[in-house]
Amino acid sequence: QVQLQQSGAELAKPGSSVKISCKASGYTFTSYYISWIKQTTGQGLEYIGYINTGSGGTNYNEKFKGKATLTVDKSSSTAFMQLSSLTPDDSAVYYCVVVTAYWGQGTLVTVSS
Amino acid sequence: DIQMTQSPSVLSASVGDRVTLNCKASQNINKYLNWYQQKLGEAPKLLIYNTNNLQTGIPSRFSGSGSGTDYTLTISSLQPEDVATYFCFQHNSWPTFGSGTKLEIK
Repeated sequence: QVQLQQSGAELAKPGSSVKISCKASGYTFTSYYISWIKQTTGQGLEYIGYINTGSGGTNYNEKFKGKATLTVDKSSSTAFMQLSSLTPDDSAVYYCVVVTAYWGQGTLVTVSS
Repeated sequence: DIQMTQSPSVLSASVGDRVTLNCKASQNINKYLNWYQQKLGEAPKLLIYNTNNLQTGIPSRFSGSGSGTDYTLTISSLQPEDVATYFCFQHNSWPTFGSGTKLEIK
């Protein structure tokens, strides 16, 4: 069965970066794009963008261009999202998702000095 | 971007009730509409995809309908385990989510 295992919670300082991982199993990794979604209490659910796991091609929500960078490592069936120049507004739970149906368990990112 | 408006924001109903949740898009989304259930502390779970297709493993008391800009999720007989927040999601163009309906038991 399709499973997405995300990395653990992050506590980061303003101005720093974090890199979240999402390890996929139960299917052929390069068959489906992986999307990333941000959830906060205030803004709800926001679609950050997606990566073509075969080619590495990406497409970002305009709001997250320059903030999020999506990459993959096909050898380990893992997708990554790096968030840079962190501010408190980046504090959220971040999810990776496959075919809109399968979600990782979420990674809590907290930005605080 | 397409705006998705859900109503009501909070719904309180009794066990066994038929409940209806609404989602309205700011433009035609051609039935590319999914519904998700999110329980406290969990990731969203796909219930319905492309308006009216029940995801595998989801109880048949959940159903979806709609077209154009107006969509509905119906629970035919509310169960205690259905307490959750429900989100609609359009993927006709750049994906966007509704703000959710919180479903409570009276």
